[in-house]
Amino acid sequence: GENVEQHPSTLSVQEGDSAVIKCTYSDSASNYFPWYKQELGKRPQLIIDIRSNVGEKKDQRIAVTLNKTAKHFSLHITETQPEDSAVYFCAVGSSNTGKLIFGQGTTLQVKP
Amino acid sequence: SAVISQKPSRDICQRGTSLTIQCQVDSQVTMMFWYRQQPGQSLTLIATANQGSEATYESGFVIDKFPISRPNLTFSTLTVSNMSPEDSSIYLCSVEENGGNTEAFFGQGTRLTVV
Repeated sequence: GENVEQHPSTLSVQEGDSAVIKCTYSDSASNYFPWYKQELGKRPQLIIDIRSNVGEKKDQRIAVTLNKTAKHFSLHITETQPEDSAVYFCAVGSSNTGKLIFGQGTTLQVKP
Repeated sequence: SAVISQKPSRDICQRGTSLTIQCQVDSQVTMMFWYRQQPGQSLTLIATANQGSEATYESGFVIDKFPISRPNLTFSTLTVSNMSPEDSSIYLCSVEENGGNTEAFFGQGTRLTVV
């Protein structure tokens, strides 16, 4: 089955700096790659996603890049703010099954 | 996007008992899933809730322990049976609206503590 690895497990940056989180996956048939943000005690919230026919997608300060050949994708957050502090999860899915396999999570701390 | 109501939001249960968690969606959805999030951990898929047929379980999860119902396109239940402290987790339902071609949304979760 699909295996998703996410790094780093923790990330601490200064406010205004950029943060990058990376994920690799194993199943070349996977074609959907979302990123979720989870604040303490709350449900995961989708922040951005990308599909296998696109290499990069950007939404304001957040961007995701995908390298299907190498089977990895990354989340980029620019101009980080303290409210970006949360746990971020990557996930890998297939439009055939709809189910998602999640990475281990990255705890991002943005220091004011 | 679909509005998902999950209940109870939390519960404290005695070991050996069972708890049924409900997930109600405000619109018909093609796919519904149940996930488990153990304390400080990531989300693990338990099963796909299939409308009108038996759920499809992931490796490590069995129907006797986690029976699932999905009587229609807007509702599903997950039962955690014969609970032990190791079952203490957050359980989340998730829906996809267009057969896997759109994003997945999560219910607010059920925080279960087994004592």
